[in-house]
Amino acid sequence: GAVVSQHPSRVICKSGTSVKIECRSLDFQATTMFWYRQFPKQSLMLMATSNEGSKATYEQGVEKDKFLINHASLTLSTLTVTSAHPEDSSFYICSARISRQANEAFFGQGTRLTVV
Amino acid sequence: GNSVTQMEGPVTLSEEAFLTINCTYTATGYPSLFWYVQYPGEGLQLLLKATKADDKGSNKGFEATYRKETTSFHLEKGSVQVSDSAVYFCALSARLGGGADGLTFGKGTHLIIQP
Repeated sequence: GAVVSQHPSRVICKSGTSVKIECRSLDFQATTMFWYRQFPKQSLMLMATSNEGSKATYEQGVEKDKFLINHASLTLSTLTVTSAHPEDSSFYICSARISRQANEAFFGQGTRLTVV
Repeated sequence: GNSVTQMEGPVTLSEEAFLTINCTYTATGYPSLFWYVQYPGEGLQLLLKATKADDKGSNKGFEATYRKETTSFHLEKGSVQVSDSAVYFCALSARLGGGADGLTFGKGTHLIIQP
């Protein structure tokens, strides 16, 4: 199947700093990528939908100035957590669709962010 | 809005036992339904899917049938193995008028298989 690579897998940062997470589709072009957040023992919550070459669409309640999403190419989307605080500590997961018509989404390995 | 409800875990079974993980959904239109599995320390992997009513998805001995009348997509396996221990997520994709959208996930069910 298609491969989505997410980097880094783990990151620890100090409160007030910014962290960038990368999501790459390795063997296909993804016009649309999705960013999710997963709290411990909770489900994945969709944060935003990232479309190549255009602004991301954020879900209700997600601060777009806090979670900056850039989808600069058909194989790369980045999520930057700006001015991170301990409450931003979570597991962030990206996924990509192989085409706009496809239902199946492929997921990255996830990034465990810890803000201290 | 769309929602997915699945049974709370953890579910603990002995090896070779029969497994059922219940999943029901609420959605507008005709969603596609999925089961994803997350092994310890790994990302989500698609386990199986069904795109229309009465479809049966199957993979690795797991199967689930899309039941529109009961809005359910229960996951079953006849004989589980220790290697099946993981977290299982039921999810739906309900796209209106075409275009990509995100998945709506259930909370996940942690399955523990004991030898």
